[in-house]
Amino acid sequence: NAGVTQTPKFQVLKTGQSMTLQCAQDMNHEYMSWYRQDPGMGLRLIHYSVGAGITDQGEVPNGYNVSRSTTEDFPLRLLSAAPSQTSVYFCASSYSRTDRTTIYFGEGSWLTVV
Amino acid sequence: AQSVTQLGSHVSVSEGALVLLRCNYSSSVPPYLFWYVQYPNQGLQLLLKYTTGATLVKGINGFEAEFKKSETSFHLTKPSAHMSDAAEYFCAVSEASNDYKLSFGAGTTVTVRA
Repeated sequence: NAGVTQTPKFQVLKTGQSMTLQCAQDMNHEYMSWYRQDPGMGLRLIHYSVGAGITDQGEVPNGYNVSRSTTEDFPLRLLSAAPSQTSVYFCASSYSRTDRTTIYFGEGSWLTVV
Repeated sequence: AQSVTQLGSHVSVSEGALVLLRCNYSSSVPPYLFWYVQYPNQGLQLLLKYTTGATLVKGINGFEAEFKKSETSFHLTKPSAHMSDAAEYFCAVSEASNDYKLSFGAGTTVTVRA
């Protein structure tokens, strides 16, 4: 059981480039979300999804797009990378029918924008 | 809206000494409260959580936390620190109606002295 899988683990981008961080879960979880982690600020919610075809903005959505075409996948797109988007990104998922407060996190994706 | 304040960005303890990490929250509705641990270059691991019921919550690795509504606090303790407890710890809060959306504190880094 792989849990929440994020790719790539490390990425360096140039300012203005676009890229997609991939997130997949194999637990049939309805809820998925993306957080970014910055020193001294903890984790902040970027976007989240309550099911396939449904997404919404979190606390810091600017510069990011998401889609949820399947239950399993929740990619995060950086449209035009900026140095301020240098961060560690975490994908998370949880399950509604039993206990959605048990949130599973991926191992993180380290992104540097130069 | 909810928020979390962790008092002290760095805590240093001697091996065998008490570990106390402070967390205060604000929430307009009854909160769900969490403590996560993050080891270097890894994802987040749930230590314990409070949703309803008993206010003293026991978690993994000998940690426990007590929900005190009157003080809006959820401090994390461990009676005897071990070298393996060196990590960053995050307090987080959610609301029952959106319990899959977490608001995190800034984190507390724990170092353990031999």
